[in-house]
Amino acid sequence: GAVVSQHPSRVICKSGTSVKIECRSLDFQATTMFWYRQFPKKSLMLMATSNEGSKATYEQGVEKDKFLINHASLTLSTLTVTSAHPEDSSFYICSATGGLAEDTQYFGPGTRLTVL
Amino acid sequence: KQEVTQIPAALSVPEGENLVLNCSFTDSAIYNLQWFRQDPGKGLTSLLLIQSSQREQTSGRLNASLDKSSGRSTLYIAASQPGDSATYLCAVRRPTNAGGTSYGKLTFGQGTILTVHP
Repeated sequence: GAVVSQHPSRVICKSGTSVKIECRSLDFQATTMFWYRQFPKKSLMLMATSNEGSKATYEQGVEKDKFLINHASLTLSTLTVTSAHPEDSSFYICSATGGLAEDTQYFGPGTRLTVL
Repeated sequence: KQEVTQIPAALSVPEGENLVLNCSFTDSAIYNLQWFRQDPGKGLTSLLLIQSSQREQTSGRLNASLDKSSGRSTLYIAASQPGDSATYLCAVRRPTNAGGTSYGKLTFGQGTILTVHP
């Protein structure tokens, strides 16, 4: 089956620093990648959608300058949280579509970000 | 704007019980509906995907039904086991064209936290 990996799985950083999270599709070419944010006991909220080689489309209320998304290849997308603050602490999950089932999203295992 | 609601928010049952999780959505114009499982601190595992033209899908002890006109889906879990304990999320995908052949983003419900105790 299609596998999506994320790295790192956990990160703790100081306020004001930037953090990069990688999302990779391991056995298929991801034409579209999605980044979600999940607060404790809440559902997933879509942050942005990215297609390889083009700029990401951000959801309303998501700051594009704070959450930088790069989808440089068909197997890699990165999310950079710039100048992180404690309120950015959350669980970030990426997802990808592609391969044989274009309408099925495969999800990564998530990255727990804690900003001190 | 599509809204997805899941009931109950939490459910605790003894092992062996059959159970039903409910999902409702406000806009019946959907492309497909998907049920996911999420273990604590983990990502999502897709359980079942129902296309808008389908009424149900089955996988092992899981059966998901879809009544698009009434905006409802149920996930039926037979003979529950402690290993089924997790959060179950329902998500609908909207079509992006009038013909419903092109699809847009997923909208998630808030999930049902299931605990199956031995």
